[in-house]
Amino acid sequence: EDQVTQSPEALRLQEGESSSLNCSYTVSGLRGLFWYRQDPGKGPEFLFTLYSAGEEKEKERLKATLTKKESFLHITAPKPEDSATYLCAVQARETSGSRLTFGEGTQLTVNP
Amino acid sequence: DAGVIQSPRHEVTEMGQEVTLRCKPISGHDYLFWYRQTMMRGLELLIYFNNNVPIDDSGMPEDRFSAKMPNASFSTLKIQPSEPRDSAVYFCASSLRDLQPQHFGDGTRLSIL
Repeated sequence: EDQVTQSPEALRLQEGESSSLNCSYTVSGLRGLFWYRQDPGKGPEFLFTLYSAGEEKEKERLKATLTKKESFLHITAPKPEDSATYLCAVQARETSGSRLTFGEGTQLTVNP
Repeated sequence: DAGVIQSPRHEVTEMGQEVTLRCKPISGHDYLFWYRQTMMRGLELLIYFNNNVPIDDSGMPEDRFSAKMPNASFSTLKIQPSEPRDSAVYFCASSLRDLQPQHFGDGTRLSIL
């Protein structure tokens, strides 16, 4: 069974204080790993897709990286508007086609 | 372009009543997904469709839940009869094709009293 574990569950940062969120996964044959951001009362908003170990993607203050066992979402000099829950999800070969398995998320709070 | 549109945004009903949630996917997207999100279990896939055909319904909790996609621009998730443990936020998402990002609607917050 595919498993996705995110850590920490919650993270508080001061504005400008860089940090990383972790997503560890156990799947049989990773097809893709997805990062989403979710604001209260909203649906998850797509950020990145990573397909193979060593791949990196960047968008503004966010950078996602992927190894064979985990992915990191690095946040550089965060701002209060980066406060949200960050979710990662995996799509695996052994599971049914386009099924995504989500982690529990990391709730990020950035204080001004 | 319009995103995924869900209705209603909020639904409060009594136990035993039929509930119908609606979703309009992004035009041109071949895949449509229904998820349920709770504090206890997080975000779980219920069912997904490819070209209007149900592909994987293994996440549907029980026979009280059913989903249809009569055409490429509309899908429904029905609960009959509803129970308090069905209270959750239900999301619809669509993607252009396999292994492409899924784009989510803003969900329906369902409360069963």
